[in-house]
Amino acid sequence: DVKVTQSSRYLVKRTGEKVFLECVQDMDHENMFWYRQDPGLGLRLIYFSYDVKMKEKGDIPEGYSVSREKKERFSLILESASTNQTSMYLCASSNLIVMNTEAFFGQGTRLTVV
Amino acid sequence: GDSVTQMEGPVTLSEEAFLTINCTYTATGYPSLFWYVQYPGEGLQLLLKATKADDKGSNKGFEATYRKETTSFHLEKGSVQVSDSAVYFCALRVRGGSEKLVFGKGTKLTVNP
Repeated sequence: DVKVTQSSRYLVKRTGEKVFLECVQDMDHENMFWYRQDPGLGLRLIYFSYDVKMKEKGDIPEGYSVSREKKERFSLILESASTNQTSMYLCASSNLIVMNTEAFFGQGTRLTVV
Repeated sequence: GDSVTQMEGPVTLSEEAFLTINCTYTATGYPSLFWYVQYPGEGLQLLLKATKADDKGSNKGFEATYRKETTSFHLEKGSVQVSDSAVYFCALRVRGGSEKLVFGKGTKLTVNP
């Protein structure tokens, strides 16, 4: 069974902390994505990556950075967590070469910043 | 730019009722279209997809037809069950463009027994 695994289901962090959200996929996908999900706003793309060490800003990159040192792993970093970053974070991956394929999602990380 | 508009919820139905969730899109290229479902406390999973005009995607009793002339991909099910209660997202991926998926805002469906 194909899998995208996020390191934590729930996290509670303090304002100002540096936060790492980890995502690993086992499908050898080129593309990886980080989305943020908030009620009434749907899914908003934070960053995506189409290759190791490559990254592209999405729609809401402010306050976030990413790291992709290995093909299977894509990390989202909150440099200095703030309460407005309390949200559900979803990681996804997809195949770049084969068109028309869907993205596969992890189970999500619900982050609370206090 | 590319965008997806889906009907706002929440939608509340009784078991065995007919379901339609409307989805329309704008795209600069020729998109593939998807419906994802998110059950409570979980990530998104693909429900169905269609990759070209007039294709019909189907799964678990749900159907959606890719209508290029109306730029629509409406989700339908003839008889919903309590277990269908979830949030449904319409999405597109444009060939040859950015590889990202563009999502609608989601429609929450609650089915009562």
